[in-house]
Amino acid sequence: DIQLTQSPSFLSASVGDRVTITCRASQGVSRYLAWYQQKPGIAPKLLIYAASTLQSGVPSRFSGTGSGTEFTLTISSLQPGDFATYYCQQLNSYPLTFGPGTTVDI
Amino acid sequence: QLQLQESGPGLVKPSETLSLACTVSGASITDYYWGWLRQPPGRGLEWIGTIRTGGSSYYNPSVNSRVTISVDTSKNQFSLNLNSVTAADTAVYYCAREAGLFEYWGQGIMVTVSS
Repeated sequence: DIQLTQSPSFLSASVGDRVTITCRASQGVSRYLAWYQQKPGIAPKLLIYAASTLQSGVPSRFSGTGSGTEFTLTISSLQPGDFATYYCQQLNSYPLTFGPGTTVDI
Repeated sequence: QLQLQESGPGLVKPSETLSLACTVSGASITDYYWGWLRQPPGRGLEWIGTIRTGGSSYYNPSVNSRVTISVDTSKNQFSLNLNSVTAADTAVYYCAREAGLFEYWGQGIMVTVSS
């Protein structure tokens, strides 16, 4: 199984901050990586796929980079609605796996 | 617009079988792959399994011996059966369209395993 780790696990930030979250895979997943945003009590929302492609309707302040084993999700200027938990997910192979999540809080 | 809706009991006794259904609207269930995921309270996401068009299925090794996912094309539904449940299976269960990634999700259903 491909294990994903995320850092940091918790991030305290303010509106307007630039935020970067890292996801590392235990083996290479090429660019088969997605990022999700989840708010309490709501299903996750797909933000980015293929490591860097923005899902339709997602604001351009979100961006993703990386390939192989190291990936980043960046929010260029944090907005009030961005306070949430972010998960990476690899889709290179079954079993599909998720990172443990990064909570972005005030 | 594709929509998914989970249904089933919110409480299951230990050692019994958890059975959930996901009703799909806005698309034919035969045209895509479909998956189940879960999220224990306060914890992260876990993929449970996927059923593909044609009926082939893939399961997470963590539950492989206890899980079955099936499709009912007449109802445009797919289902999850997880047997021999324990408290560790308490979670919000989500159904979703699987394309490697998960773009469309149900709202989730909380299932508690308790006597």
